[in-house]
Amino acid sequence: LAKTTQPISMDSYEGQEVNITCSHNNIATNDYITWYQQFPSQGPRFIIQGYKTKVTNEVASLFIPADRKSSTLSLPRVSLSDTAVYYCLVGDFNAGNNRKLIWGLGTSLAVNP
Amino acid sequence: EPEVTQTPSHQVTQMGQEVILRCVPISNHLYFYWYRQILGQKVEFLVSFYNNEISEKSEIFDDQFSVERPDGSNFTLKIRSTKLEDSAMYFCASSAYNTDQPQHFGDGTRLSIL
Repeated sequence: LAKTTQPISMDSYEGQEVNITCSHNNIATNDYITWYQQFPSQGPRFIIQGYKTKVTNEVASLFIPADRKSSTLSLPRVSLSDTAVYYCLVGDFNAGNNRKLIWGLGTSLAVNP
Repeated sequence: EPEVTQTPSHQVTQMGQEVILRCVPISNHLYFYWYRQILGQKVEFLVSFYNNEISEKSEIFDDQFSVERPDGSNFTLKIRSTKLEDSAMYFCASSAYNTDQPQHFGDGTRLSIL
């Protein structure tokens, strides 16, 4: 079973900030939170990963509250090319060989002009 | 930026035939994975591979499936006798051994079974 819950779909407009929240109530102590983006007919693409507080890279920011039971992916000033499915995953990347990723259905983001 | 490459991009095969899907992981990565995604459905884990052996596999990965790293660069998925329900996108991924290193995916092979 997927460990995460996220909205099925979201709509936005170009230039807006988009925040996608993911719930992971049963996150384990060693679990990291990772977000992927997938365009149709392409493989998932890594966006950002974090363990606690805030992580920022050139593409997005990831906000993780102290209890780590949820996380929010923030995409600043989206463009039409950000239309994609966004997946939130939790997993223990330190757990030796047990690194399989369990995927949910993700959030389908539609950016409108 | 280094990337995972997969060939072919599209494979059409008759039911019952064997197929081999090929992947070249990122060169310094040590963990390798296969996933599949049936059209319109979620990504499903098939198998992970490390140090020349399977480290974990899902219930989907039955005796019809096998993986191999025949040389220092390629990582293959073989389906021995394909079924109609094997039609899907198959994604290869790799990750480094270092902690906090995420999995990087190829763009997949679309497998169509007729």
